[in-house]
Amino acid sequence: AQTVTQSQPEMSVQEAETVTLSCTYDTSENNYYLFWYKQPPSRQMILVIRQEAYKQQNATENRFSVNFQKAAKSFSLKISDSQLGDTAMYFCAFMKRNNNDMRFGAGTRLTVKP
Amino acid sequence: NAGVTQTPKFRVLKTGQSMTLLCAQDMNHEYMYWYRQDPGMGLRLIHYSVGEGTTAKGEVPDGYNVSRLKKQNFLLGLESAAPSQTSVYFCASSYGGQDKNIQYFGAGTRLSVL
Repeated sequence: AQTVTQSQPEMSVQEAETVTLSCTYDTSENNYYLFWYKQPPSRQMILVIRQEAYKQQNATENRFSVNFQKAAKSFSLKISDSQLGDTAMYFCAFMKRNNNDMRFGAGTRLTVKP
Repeated sequence: NAGVTQTPKFRVLKTGQSMTLLCAQDMNHEYMYWYRQDPGMGLRLIHYSVGEGTTAKGEVPDGYNVSRLKKQNFLLGLESAAPSQTSVYFCASSYGGQDKNIQYFGAGTRLSVL
């Protein structure tokens, strides 16, 4: 079974600074997807960024980027120029390529301070 | 754009009561999912559907039943609620094919079983 571990239950960052959230996963699969989801206080889960395991290039979406280390099974999220609206729970998730079962980590609560 | 709509938003049940949660999506998505989210944990997949009339078990299916009679709706039923089913329930939907891994979530239903 695939497991996803987020070792930082809580983090904080000053507005405009950069923060990195960690995620590791365990799998014997070679083809899979990795995701970061944001859950603000409204509870709505919002996709932040997606990485396909067969792509070596790290995914980037505006201020959000990932550091995907396939051999180390590590998938960290970097948020640049942090904004107050980035305050939320962030979940790392894993899905095998030909599967429908997405596995989530326990989440990291990020607080952006003014 | 409505997206994924969950009904109701909140519900309190007594042990042994039954209820049905409704999920509706207006994006013509093939795939639909039900998750539960417990404190300190990520989302866990209960059941999912890859098309009208089809359902399958996820990671934690016990105590729940589902039905997908119409493409746009996915129902989650609790026949005899237990306190262990107190949780926040999320519905999600996605396209089929290569894009099936991009899931769109509803706002959640908070269920308390006393």
